[in-house]
Amino acid sequence: KAGVTQTPRYLIKTRGQQVTLSCSPISGHRSVSWYQQTPGQGLQFLFEYFSETQRNKGNFPGRFSGRQFSNSRSEMNVSTLELGDSALYLCASSSSGYEQYFGPGTRLTVT
Amino acid sequence: GQNIDQPTEMTATEGAIVQINCTYQTSGFNGLFWYQQHAGEAPTFLSYNVLDGLEEKGRFSSFLSRSKGYSYLLLKELQMKDSASYLCAAYPSGGYNKLIFGAGTRLAVHP
Repeated sequence: KAGVTQTPRYLIKTRGQQVTLSCSPISGHRSVSWYQQTPGQGLQFLFEYFSETQRNKGNFPGRFSGRQFSNSRSEMNVSTLELGDSALYLCASSSSGYEQYFGPGTRLTVT
Repeated sequence: GQNIDQPTEMTATEGAIVQINCTYQTSGFNGLFWYQQHAGEAPTFLSYNVLDGLEEKGRFSSFLSRSKGYSYLLLKELQMKDSASYLCAAYPSGGYNKLIFGAGTRLAVHP
C-alpha cells in the first residue's frame, strides 16, 4: 500500500503571497489531519477533515484554511503569507482507528 | 489548558538503556502516543497507551500513568540508528484525531 504523499516537497514564497499544499492519504483512509512543525513550537494541529467535513480546528488564524475532496485528498491554503509561516507542514491520514500515518511533509520557506 | 512537557535533549551510549519522560495536562484524555522522527523525515508511530501500565514492543517499551499525567518511553540496547527526536503526543477527549504534541526530545546515541 502506498503511503501518504504530499506535494510539493519544497516551496519558497514571498511575504504576502498565498500557497496551496496537497496531501493524498493512504488508500481507504478517510481522515486527514494537518500539522505545522517549527523548531520552537514542535508539531501544532491545524485541522482535521473526514468525509469532506472539517471536524476539528486548531488555534491558527483564518489565513489558514483547508478542504477535502470526495476521494479523501486534502489541500490546505495559507493566504497573505508571513515570515512566521515558514515551517514544515505535515499531513497525516487515519482509518477508523487511532493510528495516524504521516506524510513526508512540505517545507515552506517565506522570504 | 493543554500542555505536554518532555526534555529537550538527551544523550546515551550505544548498547545502553534510556528513558524519555513526558508529562501532560489535557482537557479530557483518550491516550498517549509516542512517535519517532529522524531529521528531515516524517514522524513514525511507535506506541499508543490507553490503560495504565507498561507495554513492551521489542526494544521499545512505553509506560502510562493516567492518574499522574505521566508517560515514559524506554529504549533498550540502543543503536546508532536510534538517534532521532522522540515526540510525545496526547489524544484529548473528543479530539477527532487532534493530537497535542510535546516539543520533542532529541536523542543522540554515541559509540
